[in-house]
Amino acid sequence: GDSVTQMEGPVTLSEEAFLTINCTYTATGYPSLFWYVQYPGEGLQLLLKATKADDKGSNKGFEATYRKETTSFHLEKGSVQVSDSAVYFCALSDGGRISNFGNEKLTFGTGTRLTIIP
Amino acid sequence: NAGVTQTPKFQVLKTGQSMTLQCAQDMNHEYMSWYRQDPGMGLRLIHYSVGAGITDQGEVPNGYNVSRSTTEDFPLRLLSAAPSQTSVYFCASSYSKPSDSDNEQFFGPGTRLTVL
Repeated sequence: GDSVTQMEGPVTLSEEAFLTINCTYTATGYPSLFWYVQYPGEGLQLLLKATKADDKGSNKGFEATYRKETTSFHLEKGSVQVSDSAVYFCALSDGGRISNFGNEKLTFGTGTRLTIIP
Repeated sequence: NAGVTQTPKFQVLKTGQSMTLQCAQDMNHEYMSWYRQDPGMGLRLIHYSVGAGITDQGEVPNGYNVSRSTTEDFPLRLLSAAPSQTSVYFCASSYSKPSDSDNEQFFGPGTRLTVL
């Protein structure tokens, strides 16, 4: 079945450092890919997404490119801030095309906790 | 808009007790879902609904019931709580499928449930 593998956390960086959080996936067909962020005490929020190969999703200085050849969707940011401290989840969706569910099924990675220190 | 709201925020139950986790959204979304979040396992889909009166099972439905009598509300019922149901529960809603290009899935703040 579909699966998402994220780099283990926690990750601790200094402010203004470069961030990469790795995400690779296994899926049949052509999934859509997502990054969600969970700030302390809150629910998940969509950070960015890409729905086809070579698409680049971007938001709030974060970027991720859908790489079909390496089945990856790594999250990057050039200069992190303390306010970026959160848990980041990579996820994929089969679009409801091949799953057993009438709805679209999101498959999530285990999450990566990021802490930025001033 | 309040977005997606969940109550309670925290709950402790004894094995065998029943309870209902409440979820409501005020965005007129058709799609609503319940997930559980467990350490080292990401989020897993419990049940979902594609509109009022329509529900179906997700990945881990055993021990849970849902109903969708209105567009706004999607309660999750634990029939007889077990320690294996200790988890953080998230409700989510969206206008259409998450992968649709202009659509976004919104999550509630979660309910942390402990079953003793």
